[in-house]
Amino acid sequence: AQKITQTQPGMFVQEKEAVTLDCTYDTSDPSYGLFWYKQPSSGEMIFLIYQGSYDQQNATEGRYSLNFQKARKSANLVISASQLGDSAMYFCAMRGIISNFGNEKLTFGTGTRLTIIP
Amino acid sequence: EADIYQTPRYLVIGTGKKITLECSQTMGHDKMYWYQQDPGMELHLIHYSYGVNSTEKGDLSSESTVSRIRTEHFPLTLESARPSHTSQYLCASSRGGNSPLHFGNGTRLTVT
Repeated sequence: AQKITQTQPGMFVQEKEAVTLDCTYDTSDPSYGLFWYKQPSSGEMIFLIYQGSYDQQNATEGRYSLNFQKARKSANLVISASQLGDSAMYFCAMRGIISNFGNEKLTFGTGTRLTIIP
Repeated sequence: EADIYQTPRYLVIGTGKKITLECSQTMGHDKMYWYQQDPGMELHLIHYSYGVNSTEKGDLSSESTVSRIRTEHFPLTLESARPSHTSQYLCASSRGGNSPLHFGNGTRLTVT
């Protein structure tokens, strides 16, 4: 079974500073994927970044980067130069296998509420 | 530029009513999912489908049912709504593998 742990329920960060959101995971699968999603107060889920377990380099997407430490089973999201619009809930998720048919599901962590202070 | 659509966006309904939450996607994805989320909390998988006429229950037990008669359509039905069903319901689809789940805007259900 997969498990995702996000230990920071809430964070307050000054605008323009960098922020790191923590995520640790547990799985026995040799192959897995890690995702980060942003959920603004409007409720939609916005995909930010993906890291595969066999990827040699840390994933980056614009101001988002993923600090992937496989041995420590951590996949922290780093947001550089934070903006007011970054205020939202952030969820770490892991792709796992649902059934013998090979379907995949995402298991989500409990999320971190990030608030950017002007 | 949403390619996955959920209706209604908000629904307030009385106890005992039958409701259907609609979800449609135009991306041709085989895999579709329903997640339930209470405000500010994590998402729980309640149903999933890997293709037409194939549906399975997820991690969280739910009294709802789903159907997948067409690839693009994955509706969720509650035969008799109760206040405990009050929550946000998020529909998603995916190509699978390394591809992310694409989510709809969600339906916020309130049962009075």
